[in-house]
Amino acid sequence: QVQLVQSGAEVTKPGASVKVSCRTSGYTFSIYAIGWVRQAPGQGLEWMGRINTYNGDTNYAQKFQGRVTMTTDTSTSTTYMELRSLRFDDTAVYYCARETVGSLTFDYWGQGTLVTVSS
Amino acid sequence: EIVMTQSPATLSVSPGQRASLSCRASHTISSNLAWYQQKPGQAPRLLIYAASTRATGIPARFSGSGSGTEFTLTISSLQSEDFAVYYCQQYNNWPPALTFGGGTKVEIK
Repeated sequence: QVQLVQSGAEVTKPGASVKVSCRTSGYTFSIYAIGWVRQAPGQGLEWMGRINTYNGDTNYAQKFQGRVTMTTDTSTSTTYMELRSLRFDDTAVYYCARETVGSLTFDYWGQGTLVTVSS
Repeated sequence: EIVMTQSPATLSVSPGQRASLSCRASHTISSNLAWYQQKPGQAPRLLIYAASTRATGIPARFSGSGSGTEFTLTISSLQSEDFAVYYCQQYNNWPPALTFGGGTKVEIK
């Protein structure tokens, strides 16, 4: 069965970086793009960007341009999202999600990773 | 950026009753709209894509309609497991600039 398993919760300081992993299984990794979506406490969903797992091409939301990098490791079917220069308002649950083929929607999601930015 | 506006913010409905949730786009998005359900502590779940196509395994009581800028998610007869927050998402542009609505919470009346 399709699974996306994310790395564990992180506590980090303002100005630092965080790297969240998303290990996938149960399907052919390179056929489906992976998107990243975050959710601040008590708030809605915010799309951060996506990576084409076949060729590594990325598209980032303008808000995160220059601060986010998404990469893949095809040998382990894992995708990574690194966010730099963290601020207090980056505190959120970060989700990876598999894109449905042919539409930029998300049919399978990871369990979420809570990133807390605190001094 | 295409802004998605959902209404109402909260909808109080009795079990067995019908619920209609609205989503409006600031610019036309054709039928490039999805709906998700999210329960507390869980990841979102895809319900509808292409405005009206149910995702795999989604019960027939969930239906989507609309195109252009106005969309509706209808739950024909609310079950206990349907009380949750619902989000719409547009995916009209390339390169992508996906945006979500602010959500509608469906609560028990």
